[in-house]
Formats: sequence, structure tokens, C-alpha cells
Amino acid sequence: GQQVMQIPQYQHVQEGEDFTTYCNSSTTLSNIQWYKQRPGGHPVFLIQLVKSGEVKKQKRLTFQFGEAKKNSSLHITATQTTDVGTYFCAGFTGGGNKLTFGTGTQLKVEL
Amino acid sequence: NAGVMQNPRHLVRRRGQEARLRCSPMKGHSHVYWYRQLPEEGLKFMVYLQKENIIDESGMPKERFSAEFPKEGPSILRIQQVVRGDSAAYFCASSPTSGTGDGYTFGSGTRLTVV
Repeated sequence: GQQVMQIPQYQHVQEGEDFTTYCNSSTTLSNIQWYKQRPGGHPVFLIQLVKSGEVKKQKRLTFQFGEAKKNSSLHITATQTTDVGTYFCAGFTGGGNKLTFGTGTQLKVEL
Repeated sequence: NAGVMQNPRHLVRRRGQEARLRCSPMKGHSHVYWYRQLPEEGLKFMVYLQKENIIDESGMPKERFSAEFPKEGPSILRIQQVVRGDSAAYFCASSPTSGTGDGYTFGSGTRLTVV
């Protein structure tokens, strides 16, 4: 079945440093979505990318979808303590009717 | 405009008891999904339902687990004869469309502890 892996599993950064998480799927995705889950909270939808090579920005967050539509990345510039949480990518395969979530990257930001 | 409502937030059951988890989707959302999350792990798909229909239950264990989304009322995830390994957070999500539509809206989850 479809597998979606993320690296790194954990990342500790100093406030103000940049952060990147990478998402790789074993199969081609029709689209990719990103979610953030705060400690003790629930996943919250951030964004969806659909087109090959697509890049979207949300303030300090930059999302990319690979040309082959099998990988994606999330980059945060100048992290803040409010960025703490686990970031999940999730994707549909062609004709799929459910989201398969990646393994997640847990981000900790220290002052 | 309430979001996805799940109850209870916390549920403690003894081994062998039944656990019943409820989920009311967002208004206007007819697609409901249940996911399980073990501590420090990702979200594992369990089941996808529309009103009165199970669309995909490929992630749900064949035994002891069942789900429904009746014409009236919330979606229910039922776990019979719970075991310690069922302890996890169970999240319900809803969406207005299926497939490649909008992002999922998640509820706050039910944290199940089996003692």
C-alpha cells in the first residue's frame, strides 16, 4: 500500500533558525496537504498543493510540491516558539478517497 | 458555526468493556473519516463514511471495531471488548467533498485509556 515518509522525525532549533521537513511518497500523489498538530491538540489543515512543481507561501512558511508529485517540503523561515508542533504531510493517490498521512516531523523551538 | 464535535474528550474503560466514540461533522459536511493516533506516532486511517454508508473500512481491524454514520445523529466508532492496545487518541475529521477536495477539519479527539 501507499507509504508516506517524513524526515527528520524530530528537529530542535533555536528561535530564529530555519526549519525544513521533507515528505516522500512511495506512489504518485494527486495532491499533497500539510497539517500542523500542536502538543495535545488536533491536526489543523494548513495548505493544499495540486500542480507539479507548485510553490505556495504563507507568511514565513513555504510549501513545495515536487515535479514528479512524489515529494514535498515545508520550510519555515526564522522559527518562533509558536511554530512548535508536529507537521504532517498527507496525500491522495489517483482515484483515492482518503488521505494517507506521513509519519510527521516534531519541531521544538528553544529560546 | 461549530466545528467537528467529538465526545467524550477522555474515556477510561476497563479491559473487556465497550467504548463508544461520537463525532458530529461540521455543518454541510457529509464525509466523515476516523483516524487513530498512538502516542508519538502518526495518524492511521481507519474508516471513511458517508450518511448511512461505509465507503472504505480498509484501515479498521476486522474484529471488535465497527463504525456507523446514521441518517440522523452523529457518527459512532464502537470498540467492543477493549484491550490495552486500543489505548490511543481517536480523531474524527469531516470534509464537504471526497477525494481531492478541501482539507479535512478535525475534531479535538477522544483519548481512550484502557486500564
